Amino acid sequence: GENVEQHPSTLSVQEGDSAVIKCTYSDSASNYFPWYKQELGKRPQLIIDIRSNVGEKKDQRIAVTLNKTAKHFSLHITETQPEDSAVYFCAASIETGANNLFFGTGTRLTVIP
Amino acid sequence: DAGITQSPRHKVTETGTPVTLRCHQTENHRYMYWYRQDPGHGLRLIHYSYGVKDTDKGEVSDGYSVSRSKTEDFLLTLESATSSQTSVYFCAISVGRFPEQYFGPGTRLTVT
Repeated sequence: GENVEQHPSTLSVQEGDSAVIKCTYSDSASNYFPWYKQELGKRPQLIIDIRSNVGEKKDQRIAVTLNKTAKHFSLHITETQPEDSAVYFCAASIETGANNLFFGTGTRLTVIP
Repeated sequence: DAGITQSPRHKVTETGTPVTLRCHQTENHRYMYWYRQDPGHGLRLIHYSYGVKDTDKGEVSDGYSVSRSKTEDFLLTLESATSSQTSVYFCAISVGRFPEQYFGPGTRLTVT
């Protein structure tokens, strides 16, 4: 099955700085890559996703890039704010049928005011 | 919140007892999923359903069974709970036509 690796496991940045989280995947057939944000004690929430037919997608301060050749994708958060502090998970799936997601192990982002 | 509820939200049970967790959705979504979340492992798929009475195994299905007799309900059963099944369990749904998955609020299960 698919194997998704995520780095770093923890990340601390000063407020206003950028944060980058990186993931790699093993199955070249994967073509859908979502990112989830999970605050303490809450459910994971989908914040952005990308499909393999595009290389980059932006939504305000967050962006995701995808390199299919290298089988890696990244989450970029610019102008970080304290409310960005959370655990972020990447995932990969093949966009057919049940679209089962394979998750990375998470990155705990702390934004220091 | 995609109309997903989970019950119970917290449960403490003893080793060897059966446990059933319920996921309920109100929007007739075709696909439903059960994940467990453990430190250092992220979220791992236990079982999923692609319709009434249609279910299949995920990557960590041993020790778990599921049932879906109605579109709106997806039940996860631990036939004989073990301490290794102490975890937070999340249900998720997807519309099916689109791959996005949305999660329920979770159930924290402790097996003593």
